[in-house]
Amino acid sequence: EAGVAQSPRYKIIEKRQSVAFWCNPISGHATLYWYQQILGQGPKLLIQFQNNGVVDDSQLPKDRFSAERLKGVDSTLKIQPAKLEDSAVYLCASSSRGSKGNEQFFGPGTRLTVL
Amino acid sequence: TQLLEQSPQFLSIQEGENLTVYCNSSSVFSSLQWYRQEPGEGPVLLVTVVTGGEVKKLKRLTFQFGDARKDSSLHITAAQPGDTGLYLCAGSSGAGSYQLTFGKGTKLSVIP
Repeated sequence: EAGVAQSPRYKIIEKRQSVAFWCNPISGHATLYWYQQILGQGPKLLIQFQNNGVVDDSQLPKDRFSAERLKGVDSTLKIQPAKLEDSAVYLCASSSRGSKGNEQFFGPGTRLTVL
Repeated sequence: TQLLEQSPQFLSIQEGENLTVYCNSSSVFSSLQWYRQEPGEGPVLLVTVVTGGEVKKLKRLTFQFGDARKDSSLHITAAQPGDTGLYLCAGSSGAGSYQLTFGKGTKLSVIP
């Protein structure tokens, strides 16, 4: 079974530029999450999708971050414009509704550096 | 907001030593998970505990969920260099909620 795919793996941009990340979850997983992991910290949930609907985006900085999952499969996360403090690893995870203990499967992440 | 505090933040030990890392909260969780994350990779699930007082073993790793479901520990026996990584605990607050709250992690280095 293929895992969660993310691209790109690395991205370097200057502040005020825009960037987009892509995630393809495990086939059949209805729930998709985007996390931000700043160096030295644990992942922080940004947004959760159930199929193509948003379940929770309370911690998403909506003035600059946006995310979509139009067909309930792939998802994109966009930052526009980027700030220095957005430098982090952006992790995508998916889970199957009803999976034991809310098990989430993570992709390798996209490491963003904002200069 | 539910918070999970992990300790210690960093741990460097010699191969063959034993260690315990802790995950504590003032909140009750319906389940708690431990993940291991290596550099450049996403976290990988090690175990899920759901019952207060539950103990699970995974080879040399022993996981315990506190009786009150507010805390957990991970004990590694005879650590090996392959155990090196960031250990994260994550709690889920309730049935039907698929969200996880992560601690900041314990960065473990096992020196050969």
